[in-house]
Amino acid sequence: SQQGEEDPQALSIQEGENATMNCSYKTSINNLQWYRQNSGRGLVHLILIRSNEREKHSGRLRVTLDTSKKSSSLLITASRAADTASYFCATVKAAGNKLTFGGGTRVLVKP
Amino acid sequence: SAVISQKPSRDICQRGTSLTIQCQVDSQVTMMFWYRQQPGQSLTLIATANQGSEATYESGFVIDKFPISRPNLTFSTLTVSNMSPEDSSIYLCSVVLAGFHSAAWDEQFFGPGTRLTVL
Repeated sequence: SQQGEEDPQALSIQEGENATMNCSYKTSINNLQWYRQNSGRGLVHLILIRSNEREKHSGRLRVTLDTSKKSSSLLITASRAADTASYFCATVKAAGNKLTFGGGTRVLVKP
Repeated sequence: SAVISQKPSRDICQRGTSLTIQCQVDSQVTMMFWYRQQPGQSLTLIATANQGSEATYESGFVIDKFPISRPNLTFSTLTVSNMSPEDSSIYLCSVVLAGFHSAAWDEQFFGPGTRLTVL
């Protein structure tokens, strides 16, 4: 079963705007990872944030993690049409490396 | 990162037949996994492919339906057996690279996926 839930399920924005999506999960984790998937193809790893971290940045991406609320957010700043994709959060529990995926957010960036 | 390839990239199969999907990595990896993504859905872990031993399956997945091999540190296969239209999905392998620091929970890298359609 899915560990996480993401909202919104779909997001439509104009190029240049920021996109924010949220991920909630149910059990304790060791880390949380965000992935991007274009048109049903392979997943691209974006960011890994560990349970003892609160915020990480990578280029135009900013990820936060609040373990007390069991939630994470992904912010894409100054979005581009090429950011159009589905974004998934995935959690890893204390051992085993197994990823448990959230339902995903479909992002459409209109030029 | 690593270069991960999957064969075939897509296939259309008749019900009752079986398809074997290959996953090849260009470097040694500690862990390999197989996931399924049904149409419009998120990813679900099928099993952990263990080198030299039987795969570890998640709840709802069994070896008879999804036999897995992993003969070495860079290669694995997943077979979808006795297929039905409900098996139509994208199947993805993922890896955790060897040589990273000792923490067991590092980034996973995914192959491009195999899109399977069962008629």
